[in-house]
Amino acid sequence: DIQMTHSPSTLSASVGDRVTITCRASQSISSWLAWYQQKPGKAPKLLIYKASTLEGGVPSRFSGSGSGTEFTLTISSLQPDDAATYYCQQYTSNPLTFGGGTKVEIK
Amino acid sequence: EVQLVQSGAEVKKPGESLKISCEGSGYSFTSYWIGWVRQMPEKGLEWMGIIYPGDSDTRYNPSFQGQVTISVDKSISTAYLQWSSLKASDSAMYYCARRAEGSEYFQYWGQGTLVTVSS
Repeated sequence: DIQMTHSPSTLSASVGDRVTITCRASQSISSWLAWYQQKPGKAPKLLIYKASTLEGGVPSRFSGSGSGTEFTLTISSLQPDDAATYYCQQYTSNPLTFGGGTKVEIK
Repeated sequence: EVQLVQSGAEVKKPGESLKISCEGSGYSFTSYWIGWVRQMPEKGLEWMGIIYPGDSDTRYNPSFQGQVTISVDKSISTAYLQWSSLKASDSAMYYCARRAEGSEYFQYWGQGTLVTVSS
């Protein structure tokens, strides 16, 4: 199975800060990576697919980049509504695998 | 509007059987793969398996193969996740989710079904 590793596991930042989350794959997954946002008690929500394509309706402050084994999710100006756990997922081979998540807290 | 509506929370005893459901609406149910994702308490997401309602083609994560059964009744646009003998370690939130067209990430998610297994 392809292992997905997030860093950091938790981060705390202030409103307006630029936030970057990293996800690393144990082998190359080309650009077959999605990012999801999950708020407490809610289902995950798709933010980004194919590493950098923003899902419709997602605010433009979210962006994704990377290919191969290293990927980043950036929030350009953190908002209170962005407090959540963020998961990456590779979808190049079964079983599809998620990273352990990065919890973003607002200071 | 695409919607996936899951059945309600369940409380079961070890050894009991269970079948939870996920009803799709707002799209052609038989044309999109539906998968199941487990989230144990305070843990991350685990891809369990996926089914194509058009022909019931099913793929399992080897970690879940033999532990659960994924099925579908396309006449009522509903997918199922089933256990024949529950264990305490099956206690978790279970999400169904629909794949995007032509790709394998999950574009739409159900609200989740909480399964609690306790004696």
